[in-house]
Amino acid sequence: AQSVTQLDSQVPVFEEAPVELRCNYSSSVSVYLFWYVQYPNQGLQLLLKYLSGSTLVKGINGFEAEFNKSQTSFHLRKPSVHISDTAEYFCAVSVAGGTSYGKLTFGQGTILTVHP
Amino acid sequence: NAGVTQTPKFRVLKTGQSMTLLCAQDMNHEYMYWYRQDPGMGLRLIHYSVGEGTTAKGEVPDGYNVSRLKKQNFLLGLESAAPSQTSVYFCASSSQYQETQYFGPGTRLLVL
Repeated sequence: AQSVTQLDSQVPVFEEAPVELRCNYSSSVSVYLFWYVQYPNQGLQLLLKYLSGSTLVKGINGFEAEFNKSQTSFHLRKPSVHISDTAEYFCAVSVAGGTSYGKLTFGQGTILTVHP
Repeated sequence: NAGVTQTPKFRVLKTGQSMTLLCAQDMNHEYMYWYRQDPGMGLRLIHYSVGEGTTAKGEVPDGYNVSRLKKQNFLLGLESAAPSQTSVYFCASSSQYQETQYFGPGTRLLVL
């Protein structure tokens, strides 16, 4: 079975500052990795995903994440945040290769609050 | 193209009542999923379906039933609601050949 741990439940940051949201996973098989964002009172929207290839993945809204297999991490970063980035962010994994029918295992979520 | 829609948006039930949540997608996706979201626990998979007429249990299936009679619809039923089922319920769908799941806006359920 897979598991995901998001190391920070809340991250406060000032506008235009850089931010890193941390995610570690555990799995005995190869996985795909995802970051989703949830704005208040909305559903989840895909930010970026790692399937294979380059370990640095770029997503929407200026976010990027780096897959580190040796440390089993997939941290999300943005060099300069905006007020509009205030949201809850979820890291998720699925088993690679399609045998799991795309089922996702989510982390607990990190609430990013950007202050002016 | 509406994507994934959920009905209703909000519902209040009394303990023991039943209800059905409807999920519809217009992307011709094979796979559909029901999750529940609780504070500090992320999203947990309740049931999923890999095609019309097929369903399977997820991580937290107890107290819920599902049906997928049409490819575009995935229904989640609560036969006898309990306060522990107070949650936000999300439906999602994905293509058989893609890994991205597309989520609906959610249904907020309160069981008194």
